[in-house]
Amino acid sequence: EPEVTQTPSHQVTQMGQEVILRCVPISNHLYFYWYRQILGQKVEFLVSFYNNEISEKSEIFDDQFSVERPDGSNFTLKIRSTKLEDSAMYFCASSDGNNYGYTFGSGTRLTVV
Amino acid sequence: QQQVKQSPQSLIVQKGGISIINCAYENTAFDYFPWYQQFPGKGPALLIAIRPDVSEKKEGRFTISFNKSAKQFSLHIMDSQPGDSATYFCAATIASNTGKLIFGQGTTLQVKP
Repeated sequence: EPEVTQTPSHQVTQMGQEVILRCVPISNHLYFYWYRQILGQKVEFLVSFYNNEISEKSEIFDDQFSVERPDGSNFTLKIRSTKLEDSAMYFCASSDGNNYGYTFGSGTRLTVV
Repeated sequence: QQQVKQSPQSLIVQKGGISIINCAYENTAFDYFPWYQQFPGKGPALLIAIRPDVSEKKEGRFTISFNKSAKQFSLHIMDSQPGDSATYFCAATIASNTGKLIFGQGTTLQVKP
């Protein structure tokens, strides 16, 4: 079964450093998403991406965040200057536009120290 | 108005029993309501979903009941098994939009043998 692949599975970074979280969506999917889940809390939408541009973003997704699809297969989330409160599990998801095809990756646990 | 409220926060059920998780929403524009199952260290996985034009959907031991007038929907797990022990999230979205999912707070289900 096709899956969304995320790397790394765990990243530890110093506060103020830049991090890039990587995702390989399912190959024929056109819609891409990032969500985050702070430990023990609900999953929160960050951003959606379609046709090489952001289609929607949440208030969490401020100027410190950016997304990119650099090569037609990877989908990345960059946090420019990490804060302690950015510590969370970050999930990438992709969709073919049919909600039944909405698939999440296993996540990257980001720990900011 | 974008919130989805989920209860209970945690649930303990004996093997063979019925697990019931409830969700409520306010935005009447939502037109697709999926349930996700999440195991520790994994991303949410689509379990079952419903659109508001039907009042019930059943897939195996999992049933969604939907009450459009009350703006509520619930997940019933019949004959609950220890392997069902996981966190369950309800969600809502406007299918024709960007596909952004609004998640409930999650319910941690423990099924005792």
